[in-house]
Amino acid sequence: QVHLVQSGAEVKKPGASVKVSCKASGYTFTSYGIGWVRQAPGQGLEWMGWISGYSGKTNYALKVLGRVTMTTDTSTSTAYMELTNLRSDDTAVYYCARGPPDTAMATFDYWGQGTLVTVSS
Amino acid sequence: EIVLTQSPATLSLSPGERATLSCRASQSVSTYLAWYQQKPGQAPRLLIYDASNRATGIPARFSGSGSGTDFSLTISSVEPEDFAVYYCQQRNDWLTFGGGTKVEIK
Repeated sequence: QVHLVQSGAEVKKPGASVKVSCKASGYTFTSYGIGWVRQAPGQGLEWMGWISGYSGKTNYALKVLGRVTMTTDTSTSTAYMELTNLRSDDTAVYYCARGPPDTAMATFDYWGQGTLVTVSS
Repeated sequence: EIVLTQSPATLSLSPGERATLSCRASQSVSTYLAWYQQKPGQAPRLLIYDASNRATGIPARFSGSGSGTDFSLTISSVEPEDFAVYYCQQRNDWLTFGGGTKVEIK
């Protein structure tokens, strides 16, 4: 069965960086992509970007462009999302989710459990 | 950016009643629309993709319809486990989510 297991909660100060991991199992990692979606406390869902597990191609949302980097390690079937220059409004639960290998314009069929990132001085 | 507007914001129902949730797009998204269910403290769960296709393992009481700018999700007879927040999401022009509809117990 498909599983996406994310790294644990993080507390960061404004201006710092955070790197969240998402380890995939139960499917061929390079046959799919990984999207990242975040949810601020009590708010809705916001797409951040996508990376192809096949080619490493990325697409990022304009709101985080320049601060976000998504990467993969195909040897361990793990995707990573790094967000720099953190601000208080980056406080959210960050989810990884499985999507297609060739386009960021995706529907996500399996999701990780979420990683809470808290930005506070 | 395509804006998705969901209505109502909250739907109060008793178990066994029919639920109809609406999602309206600011411009056409063809049939590239999905619906997700999210319960407190959990990740979203895919229910419907491409407007009307049930995802794997989703009960038949969930159905989706629509095309262009107007879409709906129907739960034919609400079960106790269906009380949750529901989000629509389009993938026609990048990717955006609606603001959600909370289905609560009346």
